[in-house]
Amino acid sequence: KAGVTQTPRYLIKTRGQQVTLSCSPISGHRSVSWYQQTPGQGLQFLFEYFSETQRNKGNFPGRFSGRQFSNSRSEMNVSTLELGDSALYLCASSLAGSSNEKLFFGSGTQLSVL
Amino acid sequence: EDKVVQSPLSLVVHEGDTVTLNCSYEVTNFRSLLWYKQEKKAPTFLFMLTSSGIEKKSGRLSSILDKKELFSILNITATQTGDSAVYLCAVVGTDFNKFYFGSGTKLNVKP
Repeated sequence: KAGVTQTPRYLIKTRGQQVTLSCSPISGHRSVSWYQQTPGQGLQFLFEYFSETQRNKGNFPGRFSGRQFSNSRSEMNVSTLELGDSALYLCASSLAGSSNEKLFFGSGTQLSVL
Repeated sequence: EDKVVQSPLSLVVHEGDTVTLNCSYEVTNFRSLLWYKQEKKAPTFLFMLTSSGIEKKSGRLSSILDKKELFSILNITATQTGDSAVYLCAVVGTDFNKFYFGSGTKLNVKP
């Protein structure tokens, strides 16, 4: 069974640009979450999607958005990039996103904003 | 505000040593606590704890939860260089699909 797949693995952008990251969950998983990981802050929750609906959102500005498609694949978009957006963006999936389920993580997209 | 605090932030030991990693939390309506190991990019699951006092074990790793004192520990005995990684603690509360992560403990096991 294939794991969580994130593309691209690496991205280099300049300030003001926008970026779209993609995540394909494990087959059969319908919940997809996104996390931002920076050296000082650890993993910070961005949002969670289930059946194409955003069920929860973290404390990030509106420049961060996402969506989920009918096949459970998810995309995350960051507009008007800032230097502080440089981070590892991790996607995680689970069957239904309930509290008794563990998250399965992808290898992340390393975003560098210059 | 919900939060998870891990200590120490980093640790250097030699092979064969035993280490204890700590995770304390303040999360509304606690549901579960999870430990993950992050070696390169993708965190991999170690344990899920929901009940106090019940130790979970997997080989040389074990973990226990204290819901009264709001903390968990992760023990690694007879450490090996392959145990070198960042160990992450995550807690789920009222928002059942939102995990609060600590900053992690970076463990370096020297030969």
